[in-house]
Amino acid sequence: AQKITQTQPGMFVQEKEAVTLDCTYDTSDPSYGLFWYKQPSSGEMIFLIYQGSYDQQNATEGRYSLNFQKARKSANLVISASQLGDSAMYFCAMRPYTGNQFYFGTGTSLTVIP
Amino acid sequence: DSGVTQTPKHLITATGQRVTLRCSPRSGDLSVYWYQQSLDQGLQFLIQYYNGEERAKGNILERFSAQQFPDLHSELNLSSLELGDSALYFCASSVDMGGTGEQFFGPGTRLTVL
Repeated sequence: AQKITQTQPGMFVQEKEAVTLDCTYDTSDPSYGLFWYKQPSSGEMIFLIYQGSYDQQNATEGRYSLNFQKARKSANLVISASQLGDSAMYFCAMRPYTGNQFYFGTGTSLTVIP
Repeated sequence: DSGVTQTPKHLITATGQRVTLRCSPRSGDLSVYWYQQSLDQGLQFLIQYYNGEERAKGNILERFSAQQFPDLHSELNLSSLELGDSALYFCASSVDMGGTGEQFFGPGTRLTVL
């Protein structure tokens, strides 16, 4: 069975500081993709970053990086130099390469404090 | 703008009624996914279509049905509506059926059942 766990329902970070949002996953598929999405209060879901299970290097996209530890089945999102606009819900998701479905975690609410 | 469009943006209706939500995927995307996001249940996968055919089914109620048309747009039909069906309904699209392609989400349809 596929499962995504985000254990932090809410997080606070000071503006300009870095923050790590945790995500662990469980899958029996040998190949899979890992994704992070941002959902601001306006409601839309915004794709942030992708990591393939066979990628040797951690993915980075601007201020976002994914700390991928395959043996521990974790895919933490690191946001550097937090901005007020980063305040949002963040969802971790996984998709097995051979499957159709995306599996989402329950999300982490991030609040950036001025 | 993800390129995925959803109409209507808001929908208010009464219990027992039937509604249709519409989604147009990004140009070139063959897969369409439907999700329900309610406050108490997070993001729930409902159903996926690929090039007109149903490919995966999640937690979709029997009162709900969907289809994907030859022009690749999709409709989600919700019938015999209940108060608990009030939620944000997302459509997402991806270029393929499996593999590494990320999903791009539409802006969502907020359904309120009174």
